[in-house]
Amino acid sequence: AQRVTQPEKLLSVFKGAPVELKCNYSYSGSPELFWYVQYSRQRLQLLLRHISRESIKGFTADLNKGETSFHLKKPFAQEEDSAMYYCALSNRDDKIIFGKGTRLHILP
Amino acid sequence: GAVVSQHPSWVICKSGTSVKIECRSLDFQATTMFWYRQFPKQSLMLMATSNEGSKATYEQGVEKDKFLINHASLTLSTLTVTSAHPEDSSFYICSATLKGRLARGHEQFFGPGTRLTVL
Repeated sequence: AQRVTQPEKLLSVFKGAPVELKCNYSYSGSPELFWYVQYSRQRLQLLLRHISRESIKGFTADLNKGETSFHLKKPFAQEEDSAMYYCALSNRDDKIIFGKGTRLHILP
Repeated sequence: GAVVSQHPSWVICKSGTSVKIECRSLDFQATTMFWYRQFPKQSLMLMATSNEGSKATYEQGVEKDKFLINHASLTLSTLTVTSAHPEDSSFYICSATLKGRLARGHEQFFGPGTRLTVL
């Protein structure tokens, strides 16, 4: 079964502290993985994708095939990082499977 | 990045009426569009995949006669909620991509969503 699991519904982190949003997936094949973000009253937008191996807004995510994980990390949280984060997987049928999302709340 | 628009942004209708929601790709040709439904504080649920010039593919549990999808051109897909009922009230979001691009790790571009309230 194809599945994306985000175990935390809500994550509260103090400003300046490290952030890690967990994501695990289940997929029989080589997945394409993404992190999407939805800021308050804005549309869903791509944050980063694993094939690009890029850092966006200080966030990085490494695909760990052994642990089937794609955790999102940032060393120092900023207040503007408060948002809803969705881990997602795309399959051979061109469909995206979203996790349930994690709300990140940065405390001042 | 590419821009996807939705119209209307919100709509209120009476029970039993039909509502049409439009999804447009403004600066690219979208061979594939997706329709999602999002309940409050929940994730996006894929309803159907809309391919230009062919019938939409519906996910399990989604009634095709209830949610009519038409993808008449490379820049427009419409979702019609027929005989709407209060339980159809939700946030409907569309996204667009080029066919085959997701599997190669390319992104979907999302519309801002349409909030439907059925009285």
